[in-house]
Amino acid sequence: GAVVSQHPSWVICKSGTSVKIECRSLDFQATTMFWYRQFPKQSLMLMATSNEGSKATYEQGVEKDKFLINHASLTLSTLTVTSAHPEDSSFYICSARDRLGSQVETQYFGPGTRLLVL
Amino acid sequence: AQTVTQSQPEMSVQEAETVTLSCTYDTSENNYYLFWYKQPPSRQMILVIRQEAYKQQNATENRFSVNFQKAAKSFSLKISDSQLGDTAMYFCAFMRRRTYKYIFGTGTRLKVLA
Repeated sequence: GAVVSQHPSWVICKSGTSVKIECRSLDFQATTMFWYRQFPKQSLMLMATSNEGSKATYEQGVEKDKFLINHASLTLSTLTVTSAHPEDSSFYICSARDRLGSQVETQYFGPGTRLLVL
Repeated sequence: AQTVTQSQPEMSVQEAETVTLSCTYDTSENNYYLFWYKQPPSRQMILVIRQEAYKQQNATENRFSVNFQKAAKSFSLKISDSQLGDTAMYFCAFMRRRTYKYIFGTGTRLKVLA
């Protein structure tokens, strides 16, 4: 149980285009999902917290107009990187917590999406 | 603000041996959770073990156990009978109760040698 999927796993796009990444909880309901960014050989940096039916909460220094987050259902959150530039190239990871599970504080992670902006 | 420190950037251990990864944290909170996650080369984050701060008993999951020293704010991970599949990046994480937001350490890269 507690499986989180991400799509796509790999995306290459041209500079100036927008890219959407989906995060789904497959076998549980997730009122809260998290989006992280990870640079090579570094730790995970929390970008934003996504709450179902409400606006996302962004961490300090993260541009909310650049990284649009939508959490329209209990099993789906999307991250859209708008007008992507090469510096947005990174590994993006989502996670979700099972609001009805026995360990509501535990985050379950998706497999990540590698974004390369040319 | 809470911080999490992993002072060992890289470690190696022989197969079947035991290794301990260190993690210290700084907080003024009393109610919190601590986690160890592993990130193998596939980059999928996998929960290894979790500890609730109000529980004095150290958590154990098969070959993985922790040494939780609340007063010292230390949370080390011991891997017994190391296996080649344990080769991964290991991250320590702190979560203040009811915030559900993790603060990750910088990670320790563990290599298990055959």
